[in-house]
Amino acid sequence: AQRVTQPEKLLSVFKGAPVELKCNYSYSGSPELFWYVQYSRQRLQLLLRHISRESIKGFTADLNKGETSFHLKKPFAQEEDSAMYYCALISGGSTLGRLYFGRGTQLTVWP
Amino acid sequence: DADVTQTPRNRITKTGKRIMLECSQTKGHDRMYWYRQDPGLGLRLIYYSFDVKDINKGEISDGYSVSRQAQAKFSLSLESAIPNQTALYFCATSSVSGANVLTFGAGSRLTVL
Repeated sequence: AQRVTQPEKLLSVFKGAPVELKCNYSYSGSPELFWYVQYSRQRLQLLLRHISRESIKGFTADLNKGETSFHLKKPFAQEEDSAMYYCALISGGSTLGRLYFGRGTQLTVWP
Repeated sequence: DADVTQTPRNRITKTGKRIMLECSQTKGHDRMYWYRQDPGLGLRLIYYSFDVKDINKGEISDGYSVSRQAQAKFSLSLESAIPNQTALYFCATSSVSGANVLTFGAGSRLTVL
């Protein structure tokens, strides 16, 4: 079975503070992991993928297979980062898999 | 122009009514999905389709049915709506060549009284 756990429903930080949104997964194969973001009044959209190993809007996420985690981090949060963030896992590989989402973390960045 | 279009955007209906939510896409993607979003529960997969002749149940398919009328169209039906189907419904598309990154519609908010 595949499981994606985001332990925090709500997370608040002040502008300029570091932020870490936690994601843990349970999967027996080699996972593909993603972070999706939903800004207010906008569509859900991809933020980043672990395969790309890129930084998007200052966010990074490293896959830690030992801890089965894919935490999303940003060293200096901005007010515009306030949004709902979903961690997601694709099972069965890209050709077979479907995407499972965590329950989401609502991030609020205070001025 | 929206790549993934959902209609209606908002719908209020009564218990027992049949409801259809429609999704069309211009991205040329072969894969289409229906998710529902509930506060505190995140996004849960209802049905998905990897091509026109392929339909698969997701995590919460009971009470729902789907039809893939064409590569670009994927509709979700509630045969007899009940109040706990009140939710925000999202259609999404993807392609293997696009590494299965999902493109989402704007959502259809359904309220069942």
